[in-house]
Amino acid sequence: KQEVTQIPAALSVPEGENLVLNCSFTDSAIYNLQWFRQDPGKGLTSLLLIQSSQREQTSGRLNASLDKSSGRSTLYIAASQPGDSATYLCAVCSSGAGSYQLTFGKGTKLSVIP
Amino acid sequence: DTGVSQDPRHKITKRGQNVTFRCDPISEHNRLYWYRQTLGQGPEFLTYFQNEAQLEKSRLLSDRFSAERPKGSFSTLEIQRTEQGDSAMYLCASSLPGTAYFLTQYFGPGTRLTVL
Repeated sequence: KQEVTQIPAALSVPEGENLVLNCSFTDSAIYNLQWFRQDPGKGLTSLLLIQSSQREQTSGRLNASLDKSSGRSTLYIAASQPGDSATYLCAVCSSGAGSYQLTFGKGTKLSVIP
Repeated sequence: DTGVSQDPRHKITKRGQNVTFRCDPISEHNRLYWYRQTLGQGPEFLTYFQNEAQLEKSRLLSDRFSAERPKGSFSTLEIQRTEQGDSAMYLCASSLPGTAYFLTQYFGPGTRLTVL
């Protein structure tokens, strides 16, 4: 059974800092790994998707890396802004599950202090 | 707006009542998923449709839960005889057809259920 862990559970940084969020998963048989953002009481917004054959993906100030063999991914946020404050969720799509269901971590709650 | 929509956004009900939620996926998305998210946790998979066929159900989906997707368009999730443990955010997602390697799931805003 796939399990996803995110560290840290919460993170508070001053505006302008670069930061890294970590995600680990137990089964390396995956189609892809996705990072989402969730604002309080809201749905999920997709940030980046990394296919299992890829090492990283970039979108603006966000860069996500994937090391499938070690079961790890990181989300790097450059020059953080108060608007980046949200919960960031990592999810893997396991290749053993025919439904392409996502298995999520519990998230990292990010607070960027002005 | 052409994103995933869910209705209602909030539902408060008394224990033992039945509730039904609706999800409208992005047009041309043939895959539709339901997830449940409790406070402080990540979403957990409930069930999956490809077109009108329900292809997988999680063990979390007890006999009191039923989901449908008639004609492969919108989907409904019904909970019968609600219990306080059913209180959660119910999220719907959809994705395009194709191989899973590059398929992003797009999520709706969710329906917040509170069972008193």
